[in-house]
Amino acid sequence: DAGITQSPRHKVTETGTPVTLRCHQTENHRYMYWYRQDPGHGLRLIHYSYGVKDTDKGEVSDGYSVSRSKTEDFLLTLESATSSQTSVYFCAIRRGPSGGTDTQYFGPGTRLTVL
Amino acid sequence: GQNIDQPTEMTATEGAIVQINCTYQTSGFNGLFWYQQHAGEAPTFLSYNVLDGLEEKGRFSSFLSRSKGYSYLLLKELQMKDSASYLCAVRDILTGGGNKLTFGTGTQLKVEL
Repeated sequence: DAGITQSPRHKVTETGTPVTLRCHQTENHRYMYWYRQDPGHGLRLIHYSYGVKDTDKGEVSDGYSVSRSKTEDFLLTLESATSSQTSVYFCAIRRGPSGGTDTQYFGPGTRLTVL
Repeated sequence: GQNIDQPTEMTATEGAIVQINCTYQTSGFNGLFWYQQHAGEAPTFLSYNVLDGLEEKGRFSSFLSRSKGYSYLLLKELQMKDSASYLCAVRDILTGGGNKLTFGTGTQLKVEL
């Protein structure tokens, strides 16, 4: 358990509406990531953060924005949701060598459906 | 860019051994990771290789050959609960900061009686 929660866990919304997904961590990790997972594509990085107010784009960032105003929370916003953004969204943290293997650990995921 | 290939599906028998292969192409290799993902759940970290050779962890082992751009995950004494998707991921220091991982599309393993 990496101390990561995501909310909501499930959401159904309509095309054109804004949507915000929240990732919350309790272990004070510096790095946080947002991925989407789709059949045939695997996990793809949307955005990541390397500290408060420090973010950068990933492989599939178009249509998404992020914010990190405090260490524990990393928000992913779809400004105007489209059907192509129907997916499962995973948040991850980087737990460095002091906490074991330096790799990423994932939250439980949010299943988003855009109608 | 990076290219990671792994078989889409595999089927094996309970109690047997199965090997899941992963090949990759990357310029600044800095580690290969295996994750397990059960249906409807999050990926969970299984193993890590950065040097050539075999890393053993209980029933699971992972092998790496950097010169061949090749890794495999070996699962012994298969159990029904091992039915899951197995994701291969590579870390590349040349893809910028952030300790980013690039994932393969996963191998769906089905364990049968």
